[in-house]
Amino acid sequence: QQKVQQSPESLIVPEGGMASLNCTFSDRNSQYFWWYRQHSGEGPKALMSIFSNGDKKEGRFTAHLNKASLHVSLHIKDSQPSDSALYFCAVAGGSNNRIFFGDGTQLVVKP
Amino acid sequence: DPKIIQKPKYLVAVTGSEKILICEQYLGHNAMYWYRQSAKKPLEFMFSYSYQKLMDNQTASSRFQPQSSKKNHLDLQITALKPDDSATYFCASSQDNWGQYFGPGTRLTVL
Repeated sequence: QQKVQQSPESLIVPEGGMASLNCTFSDRNSQYFWWYRQHSGEGPKALMSIFSNGDKKEGRFTAHLNKASLHVSLHIKDSQPSDSALYFCAVAGGSNNRIFFGDGTQLVVKP
Repeated sequence: DPKIIQKPKYLVAVTGSEKILICEQYLGHNAMYWYRQSAKKPLEFMFSYSYQKLMDNQTASSRFQPQSSKKNHLDLQITALKPDDSATYFCASSQDNWGQYFGPGTRLTVL
C-alpha cells in the first residue's frame, strides 16, 4: 500500500522568508501529485499539481518532483501570514487507483 | 455558488444514536469520497464512489454506511455513535481520479 510521508510536521518561518515542505512516497508507479492547503475551519483546497519531473512555478509557489527519488516538495517564497495553514501532499496513479494523502505539515508564518 | 454542500455544519449527538451527514456536489463529477479529520489522523480516507458504485472502503467498522441516492449525492450514515467518532467529516468529489475538490465539512461531536 502506498505510503506518503511529509516533513517536517510543523514549520515556523518569518514573514518574507522561504518555507520548504517535503513529501516522500513509496509507490514507484505514482504519476500524479498535488499540494493541498487547509486553513483553519475550512476544507482542504488544491494549491497546485505537478505531473512531470522538475520544477513547476505558480507565483510564489514552486513544486519540485523527482520520481526516481520518490520525492516531491513545495517551496513558498516571500511567505505571508495568510500562508499559515496545514499543507497536505497527495499522490495518485500508483498500483492502487486512488489518491493517498500525507499527514500534513503545519506552517506558521510569523509577522 | 457553493460547489459542494455539506449539511449540517455542526452536529452534536449522544452516544448510541444514529446520524446522517449530507453531501451534494454541483461540479458534475463522477466520483465522490468521504474523509475524516481528527487530532489522531489529519486526513483519513473512508470511502470512494464512482458512478454511484462503491469503489474503495477503508473503514473497518460497518457502523459507517455511505448512501448514494442520486449521482451527485453521497450521504454518510453513522450508527451506534461513540465519542471516538467525534471528528470533522469531509466530502470530496473529482472527475475520475483527477484532483479532489473538498466540501466545507461537518463537525461531529459525540457526547
